[in-house]
Amino acid sequence: AQSVTQLDSQVPVFEEAPVELRCNYSSSVSVYLFWYVQYPNQGLQLLLKYLSGSTLVKGINGFEAEFNKSQTSFHLRKPSVHISDTAEYFCAVSPSQGAQKLVFGQGTRLTINP
Amino acid sequence: DVKVTQSSRYLVKRTGEKVFLECVQDMDHENMFWYRQDPGLGLRLIYFSYDVKMKEKGDIPEGYSVSREKKERFSLILESASTNQTSMYLCASSPTHYRLALNNEQFFGPGTRLTVL
Repeated sequence: AQSVTQLDSQVPVFEEAPVELRCNYSSSVSVYLFWYVQYPNQGLQLLLKYLSGSTLVKGINGFEAEFNKSQTSFHLRKPSVHISDTAEYFCAVSPSQGAQKLVFGQGTRLTINP
Repeated sequence: DVKVTQSSRYLVKRTGEKVFLECVQDMDHENMFWYRQDPGLGLRLIYFSYDVKMKEKGDIPEGYSVSREKKERFSLILESASTNQTSMYLCASSPTHYRLALNNEQFFGPGTRLTVL
């Protein structure tokens, strides 16, 4: 079975500052990793995903994440945030073979202050 | 463009009522999922379906049932709504492995915020 821990439930940052949202996972098999974003009153939208290959993954809206197998982490980063990045961010994992279910973390609420 | 729709954005029901939440996808996806989202708990899987008339329990199926009579439609049923089922309900779909390069990416609807009084 897989599990995901998002280490921060809330992250407040100032506009144009860098941000890192942390995600650690646990799995006995190889995995795919995802970050989703949920803007207020909306469903989830895919930001980026790691399937294989390069450990640095670039996504939409200037976000990127780095897969670190030894530390079982998949932290999300953005060098300069905007007010429009205010949202809830979810890390998710699925086994790369077999069941196609996603297991989600608890979510991190990113608040951007002017 | 990929589209998952849910029948209601907001719903208010009374304890003991039977509640139907409908989800429709237009992407010809084989897999469909129902989650509930609660603050601090993230998304938890209630039920999922790999094919028409097929269903499997997720992590929190108690108090819920589902129906998938057509490929594009997946319904979540609360047989007798209770106040602890007040939550945001999210539907998602994904293509099966042989259709999309072992991806597992899921596409989400906008959610239904259900309040049970």
